[in-house]
Amino acid sequence: DQQVKQNSPSLSVQEGRISILNCDYTNSMFDYFLWYKKYPAEGPTFLISISSIKDKNEDGRFTVFLNKSAKHLSLHIVPSQPGDSAVYFCAAENQAGTALIFGKGTTLSVSS
Amino acid sequence: DSGVTQTPKHLITATGQRVTLRCSPRSGDLSVYWYQQSLDQGLQFLIQYYNGEERAKGNILERFSAQQFPDLHSELNLSSLELGDSALYFCASSATGSPPNYGYTFGSGTRLTVV
Repeated sequence: DQQVKQNSPSLSVQEGRISILNCDYTNSMFDYFLWYKKYPAEGPTFLISISSIKDKNEDGRFTVFLNKSAKHLSLHIVPSQPGDSAVYFCAAENQAGTALIFGKGTTLSVSS
Repeated sequence: DSGVTQTPKHLITATGQRVTLRCSPRSGDLSVYWYQQSLDQGLQFLIQYYNGEERAKGNILERFSAQQFPDLHSELNLSSLELGDSALYFCASSATGSPPNYGYTFGSGTRLTVV
Protein backbone atom coordinates (compact mmCIF):
# COMPACT_ATOMS: atom_id res chain seq x y z
CA ASP A 1 0.00 0.00 0.00
CA GLN A 2 1.44 3.33 -1.07
CA GLN A 3 1.91 5.61 1.94
CA VAL A 4 3.05 8.51 -0.23
CA LYS A 5 1.06 9.08 -3.39
CA GLN A 6 1.67 11.26 -6.40
CA ASN A 7 -1.46 10.78 -8.44
CA SER A 8 -0.38 12.73 -11.50
CA PRO A 9 2.26 10.83 -13.50
CA SER A 10 2.95 13.85 -15.68
CA LEU A 11 2.45 17.61 -15.94
CA SER A 12 3.10 19.95 -18.87
CA VAL A 13 3.57 23.67 -18.32
CA GLN A 14 4.68 26.61 -20.43
CA GLU A 15 7.83 28.50 -19.57
CA GLY A 16 7.18 31.37 -17.18
CA ARG A 17 3.98 29.88 -15.77
CA ILE A 18 3.48 28.19 -12.41
CA SER A 19 4.01 24.45 -11.97
CA ILE A 20 2.11 22.80 -9.13
CA LEU A 21 3.01 19.25 -8.19
CA ASN A 22 0.86 17.46 -5.67
CA CYS A 23 1.47 14.74 -3.11
CA ASP A 24 -0.78 12.96 -0.62
CA TYR A 25 0.20 10.79 2.30
CA THR A 26 -1.73 8.37 4.45
CA ASN A 27 0.16 8.26 7.74
CA SER A 28 -0.66 11.18 10.03
CA MET A 29 2.46 10.41 12.06
CA PHE A 30 4.75 11.52 9.25
CA ASP A 31 6.30 14.81 10.27
CA TYR A 32 9.01 15.60 7.75
CA PHE A 33 8.62 15.83 4.01
CA LEU A 34 11.01 16.37 1.15
CA TRP A 35 10.95 16.91 -2.60
CA TYR A 36 13.60 15.49 -4.87
CA LYS A 37 14.30 16.18 -8.52
CA LYS A 38 15.67 13.59 -10.91
CA TYR A 39 17.15 14.06 -14.38
CA PRO A 40 17.64 11.07 -16.72
CA ALA A 41 20.76 9.01 -16.03
CA GLU A 42 21.29 10.76 -12.69
CA GLY A 43 20.33 10.01 -9.12
CA PRO A 44 17.62 12.04 -7.35
CA THR A 45 18.82 15.30 -5.84
CA PHE A 46 17.33 17.08 -2.84
CA LEU A 47 15.24 20.13 -3.68
CA ILE A 48 13.34 21.41 -0.64
CA SER A 49 11.87 20.11 2.60
CA ILE A 50 9.26 21.01 5.18
CA SER A 51 8.63 20.06 8.77
CA SER A 52 5.11 19.43 10.04
CA ILE A 53 5.39 22.40 12.38
CA LYS A 54 5.34 24.66 9.33
CA ASP A 55 2.80 25.08 6.56
CA LYS A 56 5.12 26.69 4.03
CA ASN A 57 8.78 26.71 3.11
CA GLU A 58 10.27 28.80 0.36
CA ASP A 59 13.58 28.61 -1.47
CA GLY A 60 13.92 30.87 -4.46
CA ARG A 61 11.48 29.80 -7.15
CA PHE A 62 10.43 26.74 -5.15
CA THR A 63 7.80 26.73 -2.41
CA VAL A 64 6.40 23.73 -0.61
CA PHE A 65 3.02 23.94 1.13
CA LEU A 66 1.83 21.47 3.74
CA ASN A 67 -1.79 20.90 4.73
CA LYS A 68 -1.65 18.48 7.65
CA SER A 69 -5.39 18.14 8.08
CA ALA A 70 -5.73 17.07 4.45
CA LYS A 71 -2.47 15.07 4.53
CA HIS A 72 -1.46 16.90 1.40
CA LEU A 73 1.58 18.77 0.24
CA SER A 74 2.35 20.60 -2.94
CA LEU A 75 5.41 21.99 -4.66
CA HIS A 76 5.07 25.27 -6.53
CA ILE A 77 7.65 26.36 -9.07
CA VAL A 78 7.37 29.98 -10.16
CA PRO A 79 8.31 30.87 -12.82
CA SER A 80 8.86 27.52 -14.48
CA GLN A 81 11.91 27.16 -16.71
CA PRO A 82 12.78 24.52 -19.34
CA GLY A 83 15.61 23.32 -17.09
CA ASP A 84 13.02 22.36 -14.50
CA SER A 85 11.89 19.52 -16.77
CA ALA A 86 12.58 16.41 -14.68
CA VAL A 87 10.89 13.79 -12.53
CA TYR A 88 9.87 15.14 -9.12
CA PHE A 89 9.56 12.79 -6.17
CA CYS A 90 7.75 13.54 -2.95
CA ALA A 91 9.10 11.76 0.14
CA ALA A 92 8.23 11.43 3.81
CA GLU A 93 10.47 10.38 6.66
CA ASN A 94 9.18 7.13 8.13
CA GLN A 95 7.95 6.99 11.70
CA ALA A 96 11.09 5.28 12.94
CA GLY A 97 13.14 8.10 11.45
CA THR A 98 15.33 5.63 9.63
CA ALA A 99 14.40 6.02 5.98
CA LEU A 100 12.49 8.05 3.41
CA ILE A 101 9.34 6.77 1.76
CA PHE A 102 8.97 8.01 -1.79
CA GLY A 103 6.04 8.50 -4.11
CA LYS A 104 6.11 7.23 -7.70
CA GLY A 105 7.09 10.61 -9.10
CA THR A 106 5.62 13.20 -11.45
CA THR A 107 7.32 14.00 -14.75
CA LEU A 108 7.30 17.75 -15.34
CA SER A 109 7.78 19.06 -18.86
CA VAL A 110 8.31 22.80 -19.28
CA SER A 111 8.07 24.02 -22.85
CA SER A 112 9.58 27.25 -24.13
CA ASP B 1 29.34 14.33 -8.87
CA SER B 2 27.35 13.67 -5.70
CA GLY B 3 30.20 11.89 -3.95
CA VAL B 4 28.27 8.60 -3.80
CA THR B 5 29.80 6.11 -6.23
CA GLN B 6 27.92 3.15 -7.63
CA THR B 7 29.37 0.41 -9.80
CA PRO B 8 28.70 -0.92 -12.31
CA LYS B 9 26.50 1.61 -14.09
CA HIS B 10 24.88 -1.04 -16.25
CA LEU B 11 24.52 -4.78 -15.82
CA ILE B 12 22.86 -7.33 -18.09
CA THR B 13 22.45 -10.84 -16.83
CA ALA B 14 20.32 -13.93 -17.32
CA THR B 15 17.48 -15.21 -15.15
CA GLY B 16 18.63 -17.40 -12.30
CA GLN B 17 21.99 -15.66 -12.00
CA ARG B 18 23.47 -13.72 -9.08
CA VAL B 19 24.93 -10.22 -9.19
CA THR B 20 26.60 -7.84 -6.76
CA LEU B 21 26.09 -4.10 -6.84
CA ARG B 22 28.61 -1.88 -5.11
CA CYS B 23 28.26 1.48 -3.40
CA SER B 24 30.84 3.78 -1.87
CA PRO B 25 29.22 6.43 0.33
CA ARG B 26 30.15 10.10 0.42
CA SER B 27 33.26 10.72 2.48
CA GLY B 28 32.35 10.89 6.15
CA ASP B 29 28.89 9.36 5.74
CA LEU B 30 28.20 6.35 7.95
CA SER B 31 24.78 5.32 6.61
CA VAL B 32 24.04 3.62 3.32
CA TYR B 33 20.52 3.12 1.97
CA TRP B 34 19.52 0.96 -0.99
CA TYR B 35 16.50 1.72 -3.16
CA GLN B 36 14.95 0.00 -6.16
CA GLN B 37 13.18 1.95 -8.90
CA SER B 38 11.06 -0.23 -11.14
CA LEU B 39 9.18 1.06 -14.17
CA ASP B 40 5.91 1.69 -12.37
CA GLN B 41 6.88 1.66 -8.72
CA GLY B 42 8.83 4.75 -7.87
CA LEU B 43 11.65 4.47 -5.36
CA GLN B 44 11.18 1.51 -3.06
CA PHE B 45 13.28 1.40 0.10
CA LEU B 46 15.15 -1.88 0.44
CA ILE B 47 17.55 -1.69 3.37
CA GLN B 48 19.74 0.62 5.45
CA TYR B 49 23.11 0.05 7.05
CA TYR B 50 24.68 2.30 9.63
CA ASN B 51 28.35 1.94 10.49
CA GLY B 52 28.40 -1.70 9.47
CA GLU B 53 25.15 -2.74 11.13
CA GLU B 54 21.76 -3.32 9.55
CA ARG B 55 19.47 -0.58 10.83
CA ALA B 56 16.24 -0.73 8.89
CA LYS B 57 14.59 -3.04 6.38
CA GLY B 58 12.03 -2.16 3.78
CA ASN B 59 10.56 -4.19 0.95
CA ILE B 60 13.61 -6.34 0.40
CA LEU B 61 13.09 -9.81 -1.02
CA GLU B 62 14.65 -12.83 0.66
CA ARG B 63 16.66 -13.41 -2.52
CA PHE B 64 18.37 -10.08 -1.90
CA SER B 65 20.92 -9.32 0.79
CA ALA B 66 23.29 -6.53 1.63
CA GLN B 67 26.23 -5.77 3.85
CA GLN B 68 28.38 -2.82 4.80
CA PHE B 69 32.09 -3.34 5.20
CA PRO B 70 34.54 -1.77 7.69
CA ASP B 71 35.58 0.80 5.06
CA LEU B 72 31.86 1.69 4.88
CA HIS B 73 31.30 0.65 1.30
CA SER B 74 28.23 -1.50 0.79
CA GLU B 75 27.25 -4.32 -1.51
CA LEU B 76 23.77 -5.42 -2.54
CA ASN B 77 23.60 -9.05 -3.60
CA LEU B 78 20.74 -10.17 -5.82
CA SER B 79 20.35 -13.89 -6.43
CA SER B 80 18.06 -16.22 -8.40
CA LEU B 81 17.30 -13.26 -10.59
CA GLU B 82 13.92 -12.94 -12.27
CA LEU B 83 12.79 -10.75 -15.15
CA GLY B 84 10.90 -8.58 -12.66
CA ASP B 85 14.12 -7.68 -10.88
CA SER B 86 15.08 -5.51 -13.83
CA ALA B 87 15.24 -2.00 -12.38
CA LEU B 88 17.41 0.90 -11.39
CA TYR B 89 19.10 0.32 -8.06
CA PHE B 90 20.13 3.42 -6.17
CA CYS B 91 22.40 3.79 -3.22
CA ALA B 92 22.23 6.84 -0.98
CA SER B 93 24.26 7.93 2.02
CA SER B 94 23.94 10.20 5.02
CA ALA B 95 26.20 11.18 7.87
CA THR B 96 24.06 9.71 10.63
CA GLY B 97 21.58 6.90 11.10
CA SER B 98 18.65 9.11 10.18
CA PRO B 99 17.88 11.06 7.05
CA PRO B 100 19.13 14.61 7.61
CA ASN B 101 16.95 17.65 7.01
CA TYR B 102 18.37 17.94 3.54
CA GLY B 103 17.72 14.29 2.77
CA TYR B 104 20.14 11.71 1.53
CA THR B 105 22.74 12.05 -1.18
CA PHE B 106 22.07 9.59 -3.99
CA GLY B 107 24.43 7.93 -6.39
CA SER B 108 23.62 7.79 -10.09
CA GLY B 109 22.38 4.22 -9.88
CA THR B 110 23.01 0.81 -11.43
CA ARG B 111 20.67 -0.25 -14.20
CA LEU B 112 20.09 -3.99 -13.98
CA THR B 113 18.55 -5.79 -16.92
CA VAL B 114 17.60 -9.44 -16.49
CA VAL B 115 17.05 -11.30 -19.77
